[in-house]
Amino acid sequence: AQSVTQLGSHVSVSEGALVLLRCNYSSSVPPYLFWYVQYPNQGLQLLLKYTSAATLVKGINGFEAEFKKSETSFHLTKPSAHMSDAAEYFCAVRGGNEKLTFGTGTRLTIIP
Amino acid sequence: DAGVIQSPRHEVTEMGQEVTLRCKPISGHDYLFWYRQTMMRGLELLIYFNNNVPIDDSGMPEDRFSAKMPNASFSTLKIQPSEPRDSAVYFCASSFRDRQETQYFGPGTRLLVL
Repeated sequence: AQSVTQLGSHVSVSEGALVLLRCNYSSSVPPYLFWYVQYPNQGLQLLLKYTSAATLVKGINGFEAEFKKSETSFHLTKPSAHMSDAAEYFCAVRGGNEKLTFGTGTRLTIIP
Repeated sequence: DAGVIQSPRHEVTEMGQEVTLRCKPISGHDYLFWYRQTMMRGLELLIYFNNNVPIDDSGMPEDRFSAKMPNASFSTLKIQPSEPRDSAVYFCASSFRDRQETQYFGPGTRLLVL
């Protein structure tokens, strides 16, 4: 069985400040981990993914995430928030032959 | 190159009516997924296909829901009869080889059942 927990359904940061969105996972086998972003009235698009290569994964739009096995975490960060980053972010896990399991999402608001 | 195409983008119908949602996956992709997104339940996988064959439909909520994929370029999700609790955004996604590959999502169909 697998699951993913996103801590904080809503996060607000000031423009230019650090963005940190938290994700913890549970998987009985080595997982693949993903972050997706959903802009208003659009489908999800992939930001980045971890597939057992480098533990620090860089994605689009300046985002990155670090896989920490000891902490079962895959937190998403961006050094400096832009107004265009306002969206909903989903962490997802897939282990073995399991299907992709999404977290409940974190809505990111950027304060001007 | 066109992404995943879904139609209609918006659908408003009355309880008891049949609703058909359509999806055209990205050419060459051999996996197709149907998801439902609501505020209460988040994003749920309803069913997925591999090479046009349904692999896992355990997420389909009840017998009122059915999905087909008659060929590699077309899939439908049907709700008959529809109920107000079916109101949600329905997404179709496709991927190549599924496992560690990216799922590409369509823009979704926003369904409102009155």
